[in-house]
Amino acid sequence: DVQMTQSPSYLAASPGESVSISCKASKSINTYLAWYQEKPGKTNKLLIYSGSTLQSGTPSRFSGSGSGTDFTLTIRSLEPEDFAVYYCQQHNEYPFTFGSGTKLEIK
Amino acid sequence: QVQLQQSGAELVKPGTSVKLSCKASGYTFTSNHMNWIKQTTGQGLEWIGIINPGSGGTSYNVKFKGKATLTVDKSSSTAFMQLSSLTPEDSAVYYCARLSALPYYFDYWGQGVMVTVSS
Repeated sequence: DVQMTQSPSYLAASPGESVSISCKASKSINTYLAWYQEKPGKTNKLLIYSGSTLQSGTPSRFSGSGSGTDFTLTIRSLEPEDFAVYYCQQHNEYPFTFGSGTKLEIK
Repeated sequence: QVQLQQSGAELVKPGTSVKLSCKASGYTFTSNHMNWIKQTTGQGLEWIGIINPGSGGTSYNVKFKGKATLTVDKSSSTAFMQLSSLTPEDSAVYYCARLSALPYYFDYWGQGVMVTVSS
């Protein structure tokens, strides 16, 4: 199975700041990396797929980059609604596997 | 709009089985594969398996073979997952999630259902 190592597990930032979350795969997954947002009381939301493609409706302050084994989610100019938990997931091969999550909290 | 509505929380005894449901709406049910995902504090998110609602064909994570059985009822646009021989380690939140077209990611998720296995 492809192991996904996500870091940091916890991140504190202020609105207006920019943050980055890293996701590393144990082997090449080409560009098949998705990012999801988890918020209490809401269904998980797909933000980005194929490494850098924004899902319809994802604000442009979100961006994804990377290929092979190293990927990054960047959120520019944080809005209050961005404070949530973020997961990466490889969609290159079965079994699909996820990172352990990053909790983004307000500083 | 696409919605996946999951059944309510379950409290079940060890050794028994439970059947979870996921009712899809807002799209043609047979057009997209359906996945099930387990979430625990310790193990995080784990992909359980996938079912093709059109054919009933399934594929499972080796870890969940024998534990989970995926089925669908096309007439009601509902996907099911039965978990058998339950132990406390099966206590978790379980999600259904729709698989997109290529390049295959989870584009819509259910709200999740908490299963608690306790005597």
